[in-house]
Amino acid sequence: QKEVEQDPGPLSVPEGAIVSLNCTYSNSAFQYFMWYRQYSRKGPELLMYTYSSGNKEDGRFTAQVDKSSKYISLFIRDSQPSDSATYLCAMSAQGAQKLVFGQGTRLTINP
Amino acid sequence: EPEVTQTPSHQVTQMGQEVILRCVPISNHLYFYWYRQILGQKVEFLVSFYNNEISEKSEIFDDQFSVERPDGSNFTLKIRSTKLEDSAMYFCASSGLNNSPLHFGNGTRLTVT
Repeated sequence: QKEVEQDPGPLSVPEGAIVSLNCTYSNSAFQYFMWYRQYSRKGPELLMYTYSSGNKEDGRFTAQVDKSSKYISLFIRDSQPSDSATYLCAMSAQGAQKLVFGQGTRLTINP
Repeated sequence: EPEVTQTPSHQVTQMGQEVILRCVPISNHLYFYWYRQILGQKVEFLVSFYNNEISEKSEIFDDQFSVERPDGSNFTLKIRSTKLEDSAMYFCASSGLNNSPLHFGNGTRLTVT
């Protein structure tokens, strides 16, 4: 079983829709959960950072972590064409140096 | 907003040659990292560096790879004898504290021919 699994998509939705992106993981030691956005030929850009379980909201973005199910989500409200990018989940264990990334989901928002 | 900068943006080299990829992390950060992304694949951890030494490395980071922080601002990744399979995007990242979020540069695209 892969340590972090993420559906690569592609996912295509109309402008204004609510987008739901998800990752599952197998390592129960993961405590820190991140979502990054990556535009073509650019580096990952941090969107959301959460510790342990719960929800976090920042503008149109909401991150959810369910450690009991080993499942994390990112919701994008009122999606815009500029949100079109690849979204990467990433996670790490307490005291660990490395981030483990998902495959990334390629998202397109159609005007 | 402070950012991580990487040079060059694209490096083409012949198999067997040495390459050095350069990074300037965010100035008050303490932890430095290299990751790579082969086309169409996941972003993979290579190495982390703290207090002037390697703190963790992956199985990818073999004897052909080395890192250095030669002065107070630069952080470099050297590949001694490049192979075709080293072709990838190489991302530098930095963070202020352990387990705090990583900030990535825009990467160096390495092409080995």
